[in-house]
Amino acid sequence: AQSVTQLDSQVPVFEEAPVELRCNYSSSVSVYLFWYVQYPNQGLQLLLKYLSGSTLVKGINGFEAEFNKSQTSFHLRKPSVHISDTAEYFCAVSGSYSSASKIIFGSGTRLSIRP
Amino acid sequence: EAGVVQSPRYKIIEKKQPVAFWCNPISGHNTLYWYLQNLGQGPELLIRYENEEAVDDSQLPKDRFSAERLKGVDSTLKIQPAELGDSAVYLCASSATGDTEAFFGQGTRLTVV
Repeated sequence: AQSVTQLDSQVPVFEEAPVELRCNYSSSVSVYLFWYVQYPNQGLQLLLKYLSGSTLVKGINGFEAEFNKSQTSFHLRKPSVHISDTAEYFCAVSGSYSSASKIIFGSGTRLSIRP
Repeated sequence: EAGVVQSPRYKIIEKKQPVAFWCNPISGHNTLYWYLQNLGQGPELLIRYENEEAVDDSQLPKDRFSAERLKGVDSTLKIQPAELGDSAVYLCASSATGDTEAFFGQGTRLTVV
């Protein structure tokens, strides 16, 4: 079984500042890792995913994440945030032995951008 | 290409009343999911369909919740009777064979009063 822990429930940052949203996972098997974003009153949209290969994954809207197997982490980063990045961000994991059948989500991190 | 379509977007009902949510997945996606998202939490899987077969419904509270996907395309999730604690967002998602991620609809926000 897999689990995900998002270490910060809320992260306030100033506009144009860098941000890191932390995610740790637990699994006894190889995993796929995901970051989804949820804007107010919207569904979830995939930001990026790690399947295999390069541990640095680039996604949409200037976000990137780094897979660290030894630390079982998949932290999300952006060098300079904009007001439009205000949203809830969810880290998720699934076992790499299957397709999208068992996606487990973390509890989310609310990113708030201050002008 | 149209995404996952859910209706209604919002629903307010009194406790003990029935309610139903509808989902139309992306065309060609054989896997359909219903997730429950409580306020301030991540989505939790309620049920997963492969075509018309429910292959994982272990988290579905079967005393009051039911779901169907009769023709392997769109799906309905029902609650009867609704309780105050059912107030949440109900998300539908779909994926195609071999997809590694799920594609989500906008959700239905249910308020039980």
